[in-house]
Amino acid sequence: DAGVTQSPTHLIKTRGQQVTLRCSPKSGHDTVSWYQQALGQGPQFIFQYYEEEERQRGNFPDRFSGHQFPNYSSELNVNALLLGDSALYLCASSFGRGETQYFGPGTRLLVL
Amino acid sequence: QQPVQSPQAVILREGEDAVINCSSSKALYSVHWYRQKHGEAPVFLMILLKGGEQKGHEKISASFNEKKQQSSLYLTASQLSYSGTYFCGTKRGSSNFGNEKLTFGTGTRLTIIP
Repeated sequence: DAGVTQSPTHLIKTRGQQVTLRCSPKSGHDTVSWYQQALGQGPQFIFQYYEEEERQRGNFPDRFSGHQFPNYSSELNVNALLLGDSALYLCASSFGRGETQYFGPGTRLLVL
Repeated sequence: QQPVQSPQAVILREGEDAVINCSSSKALYSVHWYRQKHGEAPVFLMILLKGGEQKGHEKISASFNEKKQQSSLYLTASQLSYSGTYFCGTKRGSSNFGNEKLTFGTGTRLTIIP
């Protein structure tokens, strides 16, 4: 049973660039949530996708956008990267309005 | 609003017990506990739902005081593998389909020494 997968594992970008991160949910899951985790902090909720729509959003600017595909996989896009966007980006999947979220290994983004 | 965890860090000898607390100023629908080892993703430990339902898949116990909006995670007879940072995540709401946003605390770093 495949767990949550994310790609790439690491990424280095420069300020002003754009980045796309990818997530495939755990088998049988249809909901994907994205989190940003800065060093030494807990994960911060970015947004959640269900039925290809953004269901809820955290306190992140419009530079952060996402998409969910019919196969439930998801992308996180960040435009006009800032140094402060450097973090571990985590994807978590769940089933419907189910409670338990399972995290992927994350993508570590470094913005120079 | 971010839940508050205590203590921020704790060091135990193998075999000792620990309690990690999580509190919120808002009414909660559920409390979720995760453990994260350095450089890895958070791993689900336990969920406690309003109304007393408890779900988990490891030999770890927890409590949820709905009146005080507090949860505690109990680690007994700690093992070296218990080391890591423990996060509580909370969901607000009063209905069965509570607010979907999961808000995490700042974490409790647990170190187990032989």
